[in-house]
Order: sequence, then C-alpha cells, then structure tokens
Amino acid sequence: ETGVTQSPTHLIKTRGQQVTLRCSSQSGHNTVSWYQQALGQGPQFIFQYYREEENGRGNFPPRFSGLQFPNYSSELNVNALELDDSALYLCASSLGPQGAPSDEQYFGPGTRLTVT
Amino acid sequence: AQKITQTQPGMFVQEKEAVTLDCTYDTSDPSYGLFWYKQPSSGEMIFLIYQGSYDQQNATEGRYSLNFQKARKSANLVISASQLGDSAMYFCAMREGTGFQKLVFGTGTRLLVSP
Repeated sequence: ETGVTQSPTHLIKTRGQQVTLRCSSQSGHNTVSWYQQALGQGPQFIFQYYREEENGRGNFPPRFSGLQFPNYSSELNVNALELDDSALYLCASSLGPQGAPSDEQYFGPGTRLTVT
Repeated sequence: AQKITQTQPGMFVQEKEAVTLDCTYDTSDPSYGLFWYKQPSSGEMIFLIYQGSYDQQNATEGRYSLNFQKARKSANLVISASQLGDSAMYFCAMREGTGFQKLVFGTGTRLLVSP
C-alpha cells in the first residue's frame, strides 16, 4: 500500500466527451505526477504539479489539463476525448518537485479509461 | 530517441529458479537514477529497487538485485528464487539529473513463473 488512491477505478466515456480523474496523494507529498499507460506499453509522463502549479509537461496536447489542491488531492481533466485516450491513468506522489534521482514516486492503482 | 529499452517481451521461469530481466538506457546526463517497478494485473506500480549513477555497488533488496554495468549502460534486474507471486509485468525506468520527477519507462517484460 502506497497511500495513494485514485478514483474511479474504471470509466467508460464516448468520443468527444470530457472526463475528470481524481488522485489523493500521500500526506505531506506536495508533488503529483500523472502518467498515461496504453495497453502493452510503459507509462508515459503527462505532467507534474507542485504547489498547485504545473511545472513540467510531457508530449501531450493542451486538452490534457490538471488541478492540484492544498489537501493533497489532484485531478486530471481530458477534454474532447479520442479513442486513443483509452488507457490506464496513473498518478504518483513525491516529496518535492526536484531532488535527488533517488527520490521515489509512490503510484496509485490507476483509473482505467475506455473511450468508445 | 528511446531512452529505456527492454528487449524481452516475455520471460518464463520455474519456481525457485533465478531470472534476469534486461534493461539498457541512454542518457548524456552524468546524474541519473534507474528504477525497477513491478506491475501486477491490478495495475499499481510497485517499486522494487533503485540504482544511482554514482553508486559504487550494485543495489540489492531482498530477492532483487540490480546488475549495473555503467559502461554498457545496462541495468538488469535479477530475481533470485522466483515465486509464483512474481508473475507480473516488470518495468525499467530512469530519471535524469535533479530535474522534475519525470520517469521514463521501457515497454516492460512480462514474467511468468511456473510451478
């Protein structure tokens, strides 16, 4: 158990719709990162939030956005869903935005999104 | 350019035997960290072991050890005395320098442990 929770567990949406995924980080962890894991692939970094601001982003379009709240919870929002957005979405919390390479990220169990 | 390469889509091992999962990486940053994660069918990424680029000794964590060959840019995971519960996907990942917490993952290796 990492202490990181995500909701919902599964979600089915229609192409063009919008979706919000939620994550609750470990207490004291002020950094959250989101990853997309397509079937048969490794996770890909979407973005990172630190103290409620986005401070790093991977190669994802602006329709992927996020929010981070002071109570260690965060959201991933995806607008105008496409079929290729079907994936497992993982959030990971960590102590700080920058640090030694050894700083561990604690992953949640993920939300499996299916877009039809 | 692909930064983490895992060339074994699947590996099979018998219970109680040792198995090596391969990982090569590419970076020009002298400071980096290498991680191995286990992902069971439930989806959660479970941290197994970490190796820093400046670490002099290979990392070990219980039945897990990391065969770190810096000159060859390889960081293979060795699981000794395999157990049925070790059946899962295994991912190698890297974080460069002291930048933000982005991990770059390989495509993974599916390990199946048979009785």
